[in-house]
Amino acid sequence: DVKVTQSSRYLVKRTGEKVFLECVQDMDHENMFWYRQDPGLGLRLIYFSYDVKMKEKGDIPEGYSVSREKKERFSLILESASTNQTSMYLCASTAGAGMELFFGSGTQLSVL
Amino acid sequence: GENVEQHPSTLSVQEGDSAVIKCTYSDSASNYFPWYKQELGKRPQLIIDIRSNVGEKKDQRIAVTLNKTAKHFSLHITETQPEDSAVYFCAARPAGNNRLAFGKGNQVVVIP
Repeated sequence: DVKVTQSSRYLVKRTGEKVFLECVQDMDHENMFWYRQDPGLGLRLIYFSYDVKMKEKGDIPEGYSVSREKKERFSLILESASTNQTSMYLCASTAGAGMELFFGSGTQLSVL
Repeated sequence: GENVEQHPSTLSVQEGDSAVIKCTYSDSASNYFPWYKQELGKRPQLIIDIRSNVGEKKDQRIAVTLNKTAKHFSLHITETQPEDSAVYFCAARPAGNNRLAFGKGNQVVVIP
């Protein structure tokens, strides 16, 4: 069974804290993605990665960075969390272009 | 970049009736169009997809149609059931690009 696992389901952080969201996939997929989901705004792409140590900006990269040191793991980093980063964060992976995108269960991040 | 729009944003149907959600896209080079279903509190999951060399695809009670000339594609759900209540996201992938552009989502409510 395909699995994309996000380390936390709920997370509460303070403004200014450094936040790490972890995502691991067990399908040997090349491509991994971070989205944020907000009511009425759908799924917006933050960053994605086609390969280890490779990253590309999505549509809303400001305030975020990513790390992909191993093929199976893709981390999203909020260097200094702000209240407008309160959101649901979804990690996803796919074997290639035109292939099914598999999502994790999401991390609901609240920044106070 | 690719821009995907979904209409209507919310759709209520009586159980047993049909539901149709329409999406438009802007990039005529897009060649892959998936639909994802997200039930409340769960991750988005692929329910059906279509490629640009096909005009229609069916899978039991769901079907997708593609009109490349008009740059729109639609999801059709027949004989709706309460378990069809969810948010549905359409997406499009431009040729030569591994990232999907998602619409903002449609909330479908099936009234028993």
